[in-house]
Amino acid sequence: NAGVTQTPKFQVLKTGQSMTLQCAQDMNHEYMSWYRQDPGMGLRLIHYSVGAGITDQGEVPNGYNVSRSTTEDFPLRLLSAAPSQTSVYFCATHRGLDYGYTFGSGTRLTVV
Amino acid sequence: GIQVEQSPPDLILQEGANSTLRCNFSDSVNNLQWFHQNPWGQLINLFYIPSGTKQNGRLSATTVATERYSLLYISSSQTTDSGVYFCAVERKGSNYQLIWGAGTKLIIKP
Repeated sequence: NAGVTQTPKFQVLKTGQSMTLQCAQDMNHEYMSWYRQDPGMGLRLIHYSVGAGITDQGEVPNGYNVSRSTTEDFPLRLLSAAPSQTSVYFCATHRGLDYGYTFGSGTRLTVV
Repeated sequence: GIQVEQSPPDLILQEGANSTLRCNFSDSVNNLQWFHQNPWGQLINLFYIPSGTKQNGRLSATTVATERYSLLYISSSQTTDSGVYFCAVERKGSNYQLIWGAGTKLIIKP
């Protein structure tokens, strides 16, 4: 039982490049979300999904796209990378209200 | 939006000491969690505790929802307890958006 798997673990991009961060879960949870963590801070919500085909914006959505075609996968796309997107990205799942969240191990992204 | 404040921001203790970490929040919540982020960056879910008291080994947590605060107790600290402890809340009616405090950085010295 892997839980929440994020790939890659590390990535360096040049300004203007695009890429997709992958998140897969085997917990059959309906709810998935993407957060970013900047140095010395707590996490901030980028996008979230309450089920396949349903996504919505969080606190800091600009520059990112998501889609949810299956329950298991919730990829995060950076359209045109900027240095301000240098951060650690975490994917999370939870079963719904009254349940705790489970986080992946994170993707450390550097944009130069 | 809802504000989440954690104190103290930093805490340095000797192995074996006890500690209390505090989380204050500014609005009613339907979800409150404590996380430990270890030195490798991994986030470990410690407690889901929107109200009441829970215990897990040397760790326990209490949330007083009516007074909008939560406490995390660590007893007989070990060096492996080092890291950053985060409180995160989900405001009632916010639809699955966790709002995080800035964390308490805990260093346990041998």
